[in-house]
Amino acid sequence: TQLLEQSPQFLSIQEGENLTVYCNSSSVFSSLQWYRQEPGEGPVLLVTVVTGGEVKKLKRLTFQFGDARKDSSLHITAAQPGDTGLYLCAGVVAGGSYIPTFGRGTSLIVHP
Amino acid sequence: NAGVMQNPRHLVRRRGQEARLRCSPMKGHSHVYWYRQLPEEGLKFMVYLQKENIIDESGMPKERFSAEFPKEGPSILRIQQVVRGDSAAYFCASFRATRQETQYFGPGTRLLVL
Repeated sequence: TQLLEQSPQFLSIQEGENLTVYCNSSSVFSSLQWYRQEPGEGPVLLVTVVTGGEVKKLKRLTFQFGDARKDSSLHITAAQPGDTGLYLCAGVVAGGSYIPTFGRGTSLIVHP
Repeated sequence: NAGVMQNPRHLVRRRGQEARLRCSPMKGHSHVYWYRQLPEEGLKFMVYLQKENIIDESGMPKERFSAEFPKEGPSILRIQQVVRGDSAAYFCASFRATRQETQYFGPGTRLLVL
């Protein structure tokens, strides 16, 4: 059973399009992170959200943490080929083990 | 990823051989996680180490796998008598004691067992 479900699993879009990636769970998380991983490299931390309803922006990327801290979304505006990569969400369950759990990821390809 | 070093980046072993994967954490970080990643799967936690101490090894197979983080030197993930199913990318991530949610990953070691 996957604690964090990410959708969609794959996404192939044209440059300039907008997209949203989702990370859902039935568990409450004390914090949730988003990473981007490029082929042959390790994941790179993009953002950490800790407060229910929190919204963080990183240039064209907007991250939202659900009010109940069970889900999160990543929205990319005007996608560029450089956004191509595997997007992973990860979180620490509130009141549970301190070990982060990861979703399977969304593989994004942005075509020029 | 800056600062977390892993070597080798690629490792080829034949079945039955030993694999040793090294991880040097970022400066000032005394905690590391090791993860395994298979294609189209998320990162799977293996072990949590503090210098000279294993905090949690619940994700690591009981047989053939071991990990250490000595007072001096890198953290080592050791796989004895490798099998083809051990082929995967292995990542370590380091963090400060009170900031587990802010972990920094190394570039990984890709292990291929022939």
